[in-house]
Amino acid sequence: AQTVTQSQPEMSVQEAETVTLSCTYDTSESNYYLFWYKQPPSRQMILVIRQEAYKQQNATENRFSVNFQKAAKSFSLKISDSQLGDTAMYFCAFMTPFVQGAQKLVFGQGTRLTINP
Amino acid sequence: NAGVTQTPKFRILKIGQSMTLQCAQDMNHNYMYWYRQDPGMGLKLIYYSVGAGITDKGEVPNGYNVSRSTTEDFPLRLELAAPSQTSVYFCASKGYGYTFGSGTRLTVV
Repeated sequence: AQTVTQSQPEMSVQEAETVTLSCTYDTSESNYYLFWYKQPPSRQMILVIRQEAYKQQNATENRFSVNFQKAAKSFSLKISDSQLGDTAMYFCAFMTPFVQGAQKLVFGQGTRLTINP
Repeated sequence: NAGVTQTPKFRILKIGQSMTLQCAQDMNHNYMYWYRQDPGMGLKLIYYSVGAGITDKGEVPNGYNVSRSTTEDFPLRLELAAPSQTSVYFCASKGYGYTFGSGTRLTVV
């Protein structure tokens, strides 16, 4: 079974700073997907970024980028020029590909990120 | 707007009561899921369905039941509520990507 670990329960940075959230995972699969989700106080689950394991290039979405290290099973999220609206819980998640069934998401425990003015 | 609709948004149950959490999607997705999120934790899979009439257990199915008679609806049933079922419940469906509902906050007292 796959597991996802986020070792930083809480982080806090000043507005405009850069912050990196860590995530490691364990799997015997070679093909899979990794995600970062944002959950603001409204509890809505918002997709931040997605990475396919077969792609060597790290995914980027505006101020959000990942450092995907497949051999080390590491998937960190970097937020550049942080904004007050980035304050939220962030979850790392793993998903197996379609050929292996129902594509269930396995979540880490989450990191509570606070951006201070 | 197209998406996943969950009802109710909040509910307080007494120990031993039963209830059904409703979930409906209008995107014609075959895959649907129920997750629970305990305070300060990530989401854990309760049950999932790959199509009408087909359901299977996830990581934490005890105390819950599901049915999937149509593509659109995937209700979650709690038969005998226990304090350990106090949680936020998310329904989701999957096409190209996951779409989550807004969640139901359930408290069992």
